[in-house]
Amino acid sequence: GAVVSQHPSRVICKSGTSVKIECRSLDFQATTMFWYRQFPKQSLMLMATSNEGSKATYEQGVEKDKFLINHASLTLSTLTVTSAHPEDSSFYICSARPDSGGNSPLHFGNGTRLTVT
Amino acid sequence: LAKTTQPISMDSYEGQEVNITCSHNNIATNDYITWYQQFPSQGPRFIIQGYKTKVTNEVASLFIPADRKSSTLSLPRVSLSDTAVYYCLAERAGSARQLTFGSGTQLTVLP
Repeated sequence: GAVVSQHPSRVICKSGTSVKIECRSLDFQATTMFWYRQFPKQSLMLMATSNEGSKATYEQGVEKDKFLINHASLTLSTLTVTSAHPEDSSFYICSARPDSGGNSPLHFGNGTRLTVT
Repeated sequence: LAKTTQPISMDSYEGQEVNITCSHNNIATNDYITWYQQFPSQGPRFIIQGYKTKVTNEVASLFIPADRKSSTLSLPRVSLSDTAVYYCLAERAGSARQLTFGSGTQLTVLP
């Protein structure tokens, strides 16, 4: 089945540094990928839609200069949390569905636990 | 995007059948109903998808009445490992469509 790989699974960084999270579709092409953030005991919140070859679309309230998204190829999207602060600590999850999918369900990465100290 | 409403939590015992109902009163004609399962510190995982009537796979069944304003996920003979959050979503066909997650249902299976 379709697999989405997310890396790293866990990262701890110091306040003020930047962290990059990678999301890869291993066996399908995805023009569009999605980035979610999830706080403890809460549901997934869509942050942005990543589009290959064009700018990402950000949800209201999400700072595009803080959460940089690059969708460099049909199998890779990256999310960079710039100048991270403790309030950015969260669980970040990416997802994608095959371009040929029609009504194919979304496939999710296993998430990245970011802790900013 | 059609809004979905589910119970916040449910408890069950091992070996029982669990039915989780989701309401989606504003579902559109070309929306599919999809259920995902999420364990702590993992990404959601696809369980089952349907459009109408009944769909069954190796892990669950999905019942959708004719008016499609609700759906019921049925998990037969649950085990402790089925303890997770279950999300119901109304998805529109097309690869670029985004998903908005509701609150989900926390299912706790007790021994």
